[in-house]
Amino acid sequence: KQEVTQIPAALSVPEGENLVLNCSFTDSAIYNLQWFRQDPGKGLTSLLLIQSSQREQTSGRLNASLDKSSGRSTLYIAASQPGDSATYLCAPAGGNEKLTFGTGTRLTIIP
Amino acid sequence: EAGVAQSPRYKIIEKRQSVAFWCNPISGHATLYWYQQILGQGPKLLIQFQNNGVVDDSQLPKDRFSAERLKGVDSTLKIQPAKLEDSAVYLCASTRGQSSYNEQFFGPGTRLTVL
Repeated sequence: KQEVTQIPAALSVPEGENLVLNCSFTDSAIYNLQWFRQDPGKGLTSLLLIQSSQREQTSGRLNASLDKSSGRSTLYIAASQPGDSATYLCAPAGGNEKLTFGTGTRLTIIP
Repeated sequence: EAGVAQSPRYKIIEKRQSVAFWCNPISGHATLYWYQQILGQGPKLLIQFQNNGVVDDSQLPKDRFSAERLKGVDSTLKIQPAKLEDSAVYLCASTRGQSSYNEQFFGPGTRLTVL
C-alpha cells in the first residue's frame, strides 16, 4: 500500500525567498506524480505532472523534481509571493491507477 | 473551457438524514472520480467511473454510499443514512483520457457537515 509523507506540515517564509517542499512515497512503482495547490475552502489545482521517465518539470516559478528510485519528489518555488500561500499536496499515481495523496504542506508567505 | 462543476457548495444535515451531491465534469472527459477529504488529510478516492461504468469502488462504504454516472456525463454521490464521521469535503475530478495517468482536474468541492 502506497504511503505518502510531506514534510514539513507547515512552513512560513518571508516574501521573496526561494523554498522547497518535500514529498516521499513508499512504493517506487509509480507512473507519474502530480503536485496540487489547494486554497482554503476550494478544490485542488494541478500545478505540475511529472511522468516516471522524467527527472523534472518546470512551470514559471515552479520546478518539480522526481527521484523515483528513492521515492522522493520536491517542489521548488522561486521568489515566493503572498499569493503562493496555500496548501500544497503531492500525489503519485501507482500501478492501480489511483492517486495517493499526502496530507500536504501548508505554506504561508509573509509580506 | 469550463471547469468541473459541483453543487451544492455547502450542506448541513442531521445524522441519519440523506444527502446527494452533483458533479458535472469537463466536457469530453471520459473518467470521473469522487474523493472524500477529511479536515487535515489528503483526498481519498471513493469511486472511479470510466464513461458510465464503475472502474474502482473498493473504498466506497457501500452500506451507506452510492454513486451513479448516467449517460457517462454528470454524476451524483449519495449518502444514506449519514453519520457524524461523514463530515468532510467531497471532491469531484475528471480526466480527458481513460486513466489516472493523465492530469486530473478538480471541482471546488462540497463541504458536508453532519450534526
